[in-house]
Parts: sequence; structure tokens; C-alpha cells
Amino acid sequence: GQNIDQPTEMTATEGAIVQINCTYQTSGFNGLFWYQQHAGEAPTFLSYNVLDGLEEKGRFSSFLSRSKGYSYLLLKELQMKDSASYLCAVSYYGNNRLAFGKGNQVVVIP
Amino acid sequence: GAVVSQHPSRVICKSGTSVKIECRSLDFQATTMFWYRQFPKQSLMLMATSNEGSKATYEQGVEKDKFLINHASLTLSTLTVTSAHPEDSSFYICSASGGGSLNTEAFFGQGTRLTVV
Repeated sequence: GQNIDQPTEMTATEGAIVQINCTYQTSGFNGLFWYQQHAGEAPTFLSYNVLDGLEEKGRFSSFLSRSKGYSYLLLKELQMKDSASYLCAVSYYGNNRLAFGKGNQVVVIP
Repeated sequence: GAVVSQHPSRVICKSGTSVKIECRSLDFQATTMFWYRQFPKQSLMLMATSNEGSKATYEQGVEKDKFLINHASLTLSTLTVTSAHPEDSSFYICSASGGGSLNTEAFFGQGTRLTVV
């Protein structure tokens, strides 16, 4: 089976930097996705990591260590609109099957 | 990115009735579509994987006779919740992936909020 673990909630100030961690145990690992989900809406794609290392995309960066089963999402220059749940999802056994973590609720305060 | 449209966005139905949810890939051919369910403050749980022209593969614990999935074309998959009960009330989300450069990422529909009363 697949096991994905994320912290549940954090609060941060506008303009700050936050790091959201994700650890996973899975068989047939293909890659790791990060999604943003606002309440009542579908997830929105943020990043995808296949190889070890850091992927940077604007204010968002994502890191992967396959040997450690670990990833993090880094959010810089936080904005109020970044208040959302951030989901870590592991793609496994090809075919784009995804196993999701429970998500980390980030609350941005002024 | 590619566009996936899910309909309806919200539906309220009476207990014992059936509800059909549609998932369409608008600008690409989706060889595989996935159906997820999400309860409040919980993770997305994969229910089933459907491939065009073949039977869906259901995850453990998901009743295939209750959640009927049809993937008759490369752009449309449907999920029918049969004999719905209040405990089936949830947020249902589909995603689709295609071949070639679209094979890496799965694109999500907008989701359907089902309330069974």
C-alpha cells in the first residue's frame, strides 16, 4: 500500500517563507506531485518531481529525495491568496495513479 | 494545461435514487480517467481507474455495483452513484491523463458536491 504523511496545519505571515514537508512509503514510485486546493474546489497542479533535487517555479519550489522518501514544497513571499490546503501526491505503478496525503492547511495572516 | 470539465458541480438527490456525474476532456484524448472521493478535511481517495473501452479497475473497498463507471470514449467518463444514501454525500473529483507530453500529469475536473437527503 501507499503511505503519505504531511503535517496538518500551519499559520504564516504575509511575505514570509513556509516549508511544507511530505514523507512517503510506496512501491512502484514514479514521481511526486504537489497540488494546491482551496476549500470546495478541485486541486490545482503546482509541481512535479521525478529526480532528486530542487525544482523552482516562480514563488514555489519543490524538492525530492527518493532515497529518503521525502519531499518539501517551499512557498516564498506569501500572499493572502496562498491560504489553502497543499496536497502531496505520489504517482505509482505508471498510469498516473495518485495516492494523496491528507494535505497541509496553510493560513496566511496579515 | 489541458482542460477537464466535470458536470454537475453540485447535486442534491433523494436517498435511494441514482446520480450520474460526467467527466470530459475538452482538448485532449484521455486514455485513462480516475475517480476520487474526498470527505471534509480528508484526503482525496482514489476510487477507480477507467481506461477507454475496458472495465474500470476499482480500489479495495469500493463497491463496483454501487459506483458504476463507464468510459465509452476517449473524451468522456461517467460515474453513476446508484441507490444513493446520505453516507455517499461527498466531493467527487475526476482526473484525466493522455498520451505523449500529457502522460506525466493528471488534469482535474472541477469536482461535484453530492448531497444525499
